[in-house]
Amino acid sequence: NAGVMQNPRHLVRRRGQEARLRCSPMKGHSHVYWYRQLPEEGLKFMVYLQKENIIDESGMPKERFSAEFPKEGPSILRIQQVVRGDSAAYFCASSPVRGIYLNNSPLHFGNGTRLTVT
Amino acid sequence: ILNVEQSPQSLHVQEGDSTNFTCSFPSSNFYALHWYRWETAKSPEALFVMTLNGDEKKKGRISATLNTKEGYSYLYIKGSQPEDSATYLCAFEGSQGNLIFGKGTKLSVKP
Repeated sequence: NAGVMQNPRHLVRRRGQEARLRCSPMKGHSHVYWYRQLPEEGLKFMVYLQKENIIDESGMPKERFSAEFPKEGPSILRIQQVVRGDSAAYFCASSPVRGIYLNNSPLHFGNGTRLTVT
Repeated sequence: ILNVEQSPQSLHVQEGDSTNFTCSFPSSNFYALHWYRWETAKSPEALFVMTLNGDEKKKGRISATLNTKEGYSYLYIKGSQPEDSATYLCAFEGSQGNLIFGKGTKLSVKP
C-alpha cells in the first residue's frame, strides 16, 4: 500500500548542472501536482499533469524547468542549469481522476526532495 | 493572479485552549476548499475537502466551515493538545482541478 514516492530525498547539485526529481504517484492515481517550498514560504504551485498531458503549468518558470508524466514510469521534474535560487524542497502530490462531476479527493503528498545548489 | 490568504500567520496557545484560523479565497470558479495538516519533517496530510456553501465537517476535535459566497473558511480546534502543533494549510481548488495553497497558519500548543 505504497504512498506517493519521491526520490531522491536529498539532491545536491553544483551551479549549471541538471537536477531530475522523480515522483511515483499512489497506485491508481493518474493526476500529479508539483509544488515548491522556499524557506519561510508555503507551497507554491508549479505544474499539474495527467498521464502524458500537462493540464496547467502556469506556476512553472518559463526557462530551465520542465515536467513530464509519461504513460509508463514516474513523473519527472527537470531543472536545467540550476542556480542557487533553485534550492528548495520540491513536493509531489497525486490524486485519482478529478473533475467537476467526480469525487472530491484530497491530494496525497510525497515526502519531498530537498534540492541544494552549491 | 489567484490569492489564497490565511490568518494568522502563527499562533501560540496553551494546552486546553480552543482556537480558530481563517482562510480566504476567490469566490469565482470555485470547486472545493481543502484543509491540510503539516507536521515538521513530514508531508501534508488531508483533513477536509469541502464543496458546498454552508458545509461543516468534523474530525475529532477539529472542525471546519465553508462560505463560498463570501470566500472564506474557518478551521476550529477545540481543547488544543501539544500534538496539534503543526502548520495548517488551506487550498483553493478551481474547476480545472488545480489546487492553490495559502501560506499556512503555524500553530504551537504549549503543555
